[in-house]
Amino acid sequence: SYELTQSRSVSVSPGQTARITCSGDELAKEYVYWYQQKAGQAPLLVMYKDSQRPSGIPERFSGSSSGTTVTLTISGVQAEDEADYSCQSRDSSGTFVFGPGTKVTV
Amino acid sequence: QVQLQESGPGLVKASQTLSLTCSVSGDSISSGLDYWNWIRQPAEKGLEWIGRISYSGRTHYNPSLESRVTISVDTSRNQFSLQLTSVTAADTATYYCARGAIESYGSGSYSWFDSWGQGTQVTVSS
Repeated sequence: SYELTQSRSVSVSPGQTARITCSGDELAKEYVYWYQQKAGQAPLLVMYKDSQRPSGIPERFSGSSSGTTVTLTISGVQAEDEADYSCQSRDSSGTFVFGPGTKVTV
Repeated sequence: QVQLQESGPGLVKASQTLSLTCSVSGDSISSGLDYWNWIRQPAEKGLEWIGRISYSGRTHYNPSLESRVTISVDTSRNQFSLQLTSVTAADTATYYCARGAIESYGSGSYSWFDSWGQGTQVTVSS
């Protein structure tokens, strides 16, 4: 089955930049979507179609893509950004797939 | 602003059927603009997409669960539901319902989960 790969954890100091990557064989052809999940809460969409930021998401969140790797960047990280971040895409049959998640510690 | 709320038993016996309902407010399932999804997350693990349904009842399931899953829609109540049969301990998880926004292109469409319910914990007991 199709899998997305993410680093397990990222640790940053407040004000620094956090980069979270998501890799998958289909990502050169498919978009990636990113979800932030704080402890005990439901996921929240923070980026769609690789680099589009939903309304209400701070400008410090940005996304980029290169080949089969997509990156979510948080510039000027704040304490409130501490969360798990999961990428999502789909396989060739249209089945939606999530990455295992990256824990961002501030 | 759309809100989704899951409801259903928090405890299900092994081999029985898990049944959950998602009530939608602030948006009409009948508008046909979105798909309606079920997603689950075992404790300390990643998210797993279960399946989705359109307002007309068109479904698409995760092949890994397809033999046990049924998703249905009740547009008159603005609700959609999940049934998962023959459950085991591996089905213990937090279950979320989520709206799937759609953007069409050519012969296809992109979709992402733009609104989520708060989730409901379901435990399968032996």
